[in-house]
Amino acid sequence: AQKVTQAQTEISVVEKEDVTLDCVYETRDTTYYLFWYKQPPSGELVFLIRRNSFDEQNEISGRYSWNFQKSTSSFNFTITASQVVDSAVYFCALISSSGGYNKLIFGAGTRLAVHP
Amino acid sequence: SQTIHQWPATLVQPVGSPLSLECTVEGTSNPNLYWYRQAAGRGLQLLFYSVGIGQISSEVPQNLSASRPQDRQFILSSKKLLLSDSGFYLCACQEIRSYNEQFFGPGTRLTVL
Repeated sequence: AQKVTQAQTEISVVEKEDVTLDCVYETRDTTYYLFWYKQPPSGELVFLIRRNSFDEQNEISGRYSWNFQKSTSSFNFTITASQVVDSAVYFCALISSSGGYNKLIFGAGTRLAVHP
Repeated sequence: SQTIHQWPATLVQPVGSPLSLECTVEGTSNPNLYWYRQAAGRGLQLLFYSVGIGQISSEVPQNLSASRPQDRQFILSSKKLLLSDSGFYLCACQEIRSYNEQFFGPGTRLTVL
């Protein structure tokens, strides 16, 4: 069975603080893909990153960085020097080979509030 | 890159009325298409997906149905809405037969009164 757990329901930080959003996944497959999406107040889900199971390199994109660790089945997302515009719900998601390429398993989401 | 259109953006309907939400996609061919529902403050629930014209798979039993009359058109329908059908409906698109990311449309916010 595949599962994605985002244990943090809500996080509140003050602008310029760094914040890490946790994501733990479960799958028995050796081939799988992990994703992060951002859902701002407008509602549309915005794709942020895809990482496949064979690539454990961490990635940095501006103030965003992702830490993929297969040993702990985690794919955490860090925002450095957070800004008010980062306020949104963030979803971690998984596609695995046995689940089929058309089954995107989402976590419950973490609501991030960045205060000025 | 693909662009996903959804309409209407918002909808208020009485219980028992019919529903038709439309999703169209530009910039890709033969995509996988998806309908998700998000209840207020909740996560995303996959309702239907389609890998081609006329091919619909349902994930959860419900009074909703989906159709794909054209390659880049995906329709969500109901003959009689229930209060529990209220939510935010998102259409998503994915390149066919791939593990690529899904791209989402702007969504339709449905309120059933």
